[in-house]
Amino acid sequence: EAAVTQSPRNKVTVTGGNVTLSCRQTNSHNYMYWYRQDTGHGLRLIHYSYGAGNLQIGDVPDGYKATRTTQEDFFLLLELASPSQTSLYFCASSGTGGASQNTLYFGAGTRLSVL
Amino acid sequence: GDSVTQTEGQVTVSESKSLIINCTYSATSIAYPNLFWYVRYPGEGLQLLLKVITAGQKGSSRGFEATYNKETTSFHLQKASVQESDSAVYYCALGGGYKVVFGSGTRLLVSP
Repeated sequence: EAAVTQSPRNKVTVTGGNVTLSCRQTNSHNYMYWYRQDTGHGLRLIHYSYGAGNLQIGDVPDGYKATRTTQEDFFLLLELASPSQTSLYFCASSGTGGASQNTLYFGAGTRLSVL
Repeated sequence: GDSVTQTEGQVTVSESKSLIINCTYSATSIAYPNLFWYVRYPGEGLQLLLKVITAGQKGSSRGFEATYNKETTSFHLQKASVQESDSAVYYCALGGGYKVVFGSGTRLLVSP
């Protein structure tokens, strides 16, 4: 079954810590996205990619790096985590063109706490 | 910029009563936006509830309906009779190209 899988589901780290969030999709989609979701805000786009080796900057990229190693795998890196990055993170994928355009398929989310 | 505004916070509705969650949008960089409602159940990721890509058309799914109104730039979500299982967070969104912009989400609590 096609899916988007995120790991870990929960993560606690300290200020200045190094965190990597992982995402794998089996939808054969070209586009993958990282969003963060905070109370009072909609999902805000951090980074996205349209294929292996590609990276595009989203709307709230500061403090985040990302890497797309394969069509299936997209990673979000926080190299010096700060308390402001405490949030719920979602990975998503989407196809291109036609009815699949913009239709996002989401993982279950990773809850990150930075103490 | 592009933005979505929806009913804020939490909405509580008694089971079998009707529901409306308001959504309005502003699409300044997207000429022909697609409009979406996503739903997030506890412990799960968002999933598509319904999608409409043509102004004037109505989308429906699981008893929910929303009509793409270009004149009023609205895409309100309605259901005639809610069930406890509809308790979730609902997100309105607009999309074009690679870009999808979300509203802040509305938590629906259906009371028995």
